[in-house]
Amino acid sequence: AQSVSQHNHHVILSEAASLELGCNYSYGGTVNLFWYVQYPGQHLQLLLKYFSGDPLVKGIKGFEAEFIKSKFSFNLRKPSVQWSDTAEYFCAVTPGSGATNKLIFGTGTLLAVQP
Amino acid sequence: GAVVSQHPSWVICKSGTSVKIECRSLDFQATTMFWYRQFPKQSLMLMATSNEGSKATYEQGVEKDKFLINHASLTLSTLTVTSAHPEDSSFYICSASFITSGSRSYEQYFGPGTRLTVT
Repeated sequence: AQSVSQHNHHVILSEAASLELGCNYSYGGTVNLFWYVQYPGQHLQLLLKYFSGDPLVKGIKGFEAEFIKSKFSFNLRKPSVQWSDTAEYFCAVTPGSGATNKLIFGTGTLLAVQP
Repeated sequence: GAVVSQHPSWVICKSGTSVKIECRSLDFQATTMFWYRQFPKQSLMLMATSNEGSKATYEQGVEKDKFLINHASLTLSTLTVTSAHPEDSSFYICSASFITSGSRSYEQYFGPGTRLTVT
């Protein structure tokens, strides 16, 4: 069965620190990859997505993610976090065959940025 | 653009009653809508996928007679929790999607969620 793993459940950083959140998936075929963010009290928002092409994807608010096919990974990075980045981050995958666009979510990583 | 709303945002009901949750795409026509359930400190679990005018496709383990989904138009889908029990208490989130140009896959836009508490 397809699954998505986020190994960091809770991350605490100081402002200006660098961030990397891990995401690994299990699916042998072509995939589409997403990172969503959920700020406190708000709905899920798309940070960035990868469908094809350049494996280094840039998203909103200075986030980027790198798709490494050989490692089945799509880690999220930001060079310098801000207090406003405090949120829960979800990695998600859909098979890229086009037959379905069901999202399979990871368990989420709660990021707390201390001022 | 691509705004999805849900109503109500929070509902409390008594055990045995039914509750209807609405999901609307406000500024686009949604070819597909999805319903998720999120438990505290856990991820979103897909419950069902619905396409306008057709029956919903439920994920394994989701009771279709308990969680009734109606996708009557391209901008509205409803989830009715029938004969609710305390174990149905959860956060229910819908999303809506439409085909993005140049991509074989779909982006999903999420509603703010509905917190259901069954007493």
